[in-house]
Amino acid sequence: ETGVTQSPTHLIKTRGQQVTLRCSSQSGHNTVSWYQQALGQGPQFIFQYYREEENGRGNFPPRFSGLQFPNYSSELNVNALELDDSALYLCASSLGGGNQETQYFGPGTRLLVL
Amino acid sequence: QKEVEQDPGPLSVPEGAIVSLNCTYSNSAFQYFMWYRQYSRKGPELLMYTYSSGNKEDGRFTAQVDKSSKYISLFIRDSQPSDSATYLCAMRDNFNKFYFGSGTKLNVKP
Repeated sequence: ETGVTQSPTHLIKTRGQQVTLRCSSQSGHNTVSWYQQALGQGPQFIFQYYREEENGRGNFPPRFSGLQFPNYSSELNVNALELDDSALYLCASSLGGGNQETQYFGPGTRLLVL
Repeated sequence: QKEVEQDPGPLSVPEGAIVSLNCTYSNSAFQYFMWYRQYSRKGPELLMYTYSSGNKEDGRFTAQVDKSSKYISLFIRDSQPSDSATYLCAMRDNFNKFYFGSGTKLNVKP
């Protein structure tokens, strides 16, 4: 059974640029959630995708967008990067239909915006 | 007011001690309650989840939920140095939105 993987592990961008982060869900999981974790804080829920549809969204602006593909892997896109977007971005996969509490997290992508 | 409040610690205890970690919340719509452990530079790892008031036990861990007081706890018995990590409480509402506490850093001294 393959765990959740994320790429890249680290990324440096400048303000105003755009970034795409990728996540491969655990085998058999059809739900992916994305989180932003600032240093010393808990993860903040960005959104969730279930079977390629957005299935819940946190309080993040529209410049945070996502996609889920037929193989249930997912992308997080952030446009017009701001300094405050510097954080660890985590994705978590789960089996939908009432089992979403059992989320398995990837190691994260650490984004630094200069 | 944050949706979920958690004391950041750090909490330092000797090996073998009983550890009590707590969170309070303000939103009565929260239905599902979880505890995660996060080691440095790793993603969170699910320890326990529950959706009802009362206690749930798993090995050395006991999760407790009191919905009337909007208060949840995680107890760790016979704590080990390997338990040293940041512990995060999390909650989900009926709209599939998840809310995490800021985490409590635990250090178990040998």
